[in-house]
Amino acid sequence: EDQVTQSPEALRLQEGESSSLNCSYTVSGLRGLFWYRQDPGKGPEFLFTLYSAGEEKEKERLKATLTKKESFLHITAPKPEDSATYLCAVRENTGFQKLVFGTGTRLLVSP
Amino acid sequence: SQTIHQWPATLVQPVGSPLSLECTVEGTSNPNLYWYRQAAGRGLQLLFYSVGIGQISSEVPQNLSASRPQDRQFILSSKKLLLSDSGFYLCAWSLRGQPNTEAFFGQGTRLTVV
Repeated sequence: EDQVTQSPEALRLQEGESSSLNCSYTVSGLRGLFWYRQDPGKGPEFLFTLYSAGEEKEKERLKATLTKKESFLHITAPKPEDSATYLCAVRENTGFQKLVFGTGTRLLVSP
Repeated sequence: SQTIHQWPATLVQPVGSPLSLECTVEGTSNPNLYWYRQAAGRGLQLLFYSVGIGQISSEVPQNLSASRPQDRQFILSSKKLLLSDSGFYLCAWSLRGQPNTEAFFGQGTRLTVV
């Protein structure tokens, strides 16, 4: 069964303190790895899609990278408004190829 | 551009009452549509998906049902709510015929069954 594990569960940073979130996955024949941001009480907001090892995507202070077994979401010089839960998902390689989500990393950036 | 609307945002319903949550997508045709439930501390769980009008697939056995009466309308229903149906329900869409692409989510409905 395809699995997605995110770590850490929660992360507290000071404003400007860079760090990385991890998403490890077990799926044969990756058909896309997806990062989302979710604010409390809101639906997930799409951030990035990565398809192959070595691929990188950037958006403002966020950069997502992909290897054969994991993805990292690097946050450079975070600001308080980056506080949110970050979700990672992969597409199953069988049947409907549904998205399988991790449980997320709760990020809190303090001023 | 495409948008997805989901309502209501919050709902408090007594046990045994019916449920109807609605989701509509604008700006695209023939989307794949999904209903997810998100429990506290857990990942998103896929409940139903649809690849076309009247075509519904269920991922988990439960007290809920889904319908797609129009191309861009997806409805989540229950005849009699249980306490365990409480949760955060999310509707999502993705492009038909492009299975490797991302899904886009609505703002969710917080359902509390009392």
